[in-house]
Amino acid sequence: LAKTTQPISMDSYEGQEVNITCSHNNIATNDYITWYQQFPSQGPRFIIQGYKTKVTNEVASLFIPADRKSSTLSLPRVSLSDTAVYYCLVGVSGGYNKLIFGAGTRLAVHP
Amino acid sequence: NAGVTQTPKFQVLKTGQSMTLQCAQDMNHNSMYWYRQDPGMGLRLIYYSASEGTTDKGEVPNGYNVSRLNKREFSLRLESAAPSQTSVYFCASSRQGDGDEQYFGPGTRLTVT
Repeated sequence: LAKTTQPISMDSYEGQEVNITCSHNNIATNDYITWYQQFPSQGPRFIIQGYKTKVTNEVASLFIPADRKSSTLSLPRVSLSDTAVYYCLVGVSGGYNKLIFGAGTRLAVHP
Repeated sequence: NAGVTQTPKFQVLKTGQSMTLQCAQDMNHNSMYWYRQDPGMGLRLIYYSASEGTTDKGEVPNGYNVSRLNKREFSLRLESAAPSQTSVYFCASSRQGDGDEQYFGPGTRLTVT
């Protein structure tokens, strides 16, 4: 299983760009990188997934360097509603790696 | 399209009691999962079902049993509840394996006294 390491917490202010970096040094060739968001008292919600380079959707961007040993989730112009826990996971698309969610990164967005 | 539904939303049990948590999905997904989340922690996988008729253990299966009743439904049973099983339980489903996008239910908050 590819282990991931991410900061325990981060603080930001409304309107700023937030970058959360995840380290996954032993990522396997077939592994994808996936990020989930969790609000209090709710189940996690898928944000974005990528394999290499850059992926962008309406919510976030995911930057993956060539060696794939880390990835960065970028949230543009955060608002108070982006206050949540963000989880980075690696695993094979369609596979059963028993994904480990870990403790995630607690992002607090301040007015 | 309700997505993933779970019942009940809240439950209080006494030590030694049993109960079944129900989960259903209407997205025609093959794979389903049960997680538990303790306060301030990430999710831990209890059991998963890759497809109808199959189940397999996750990280923390002790004290639990599961049944994949059909493609839609995946239940989690606590045979003899213990205070250590106080947690929030989430059910999830995905098209195929856990590397695919997982869709989560609203959770069941269980307290064992």
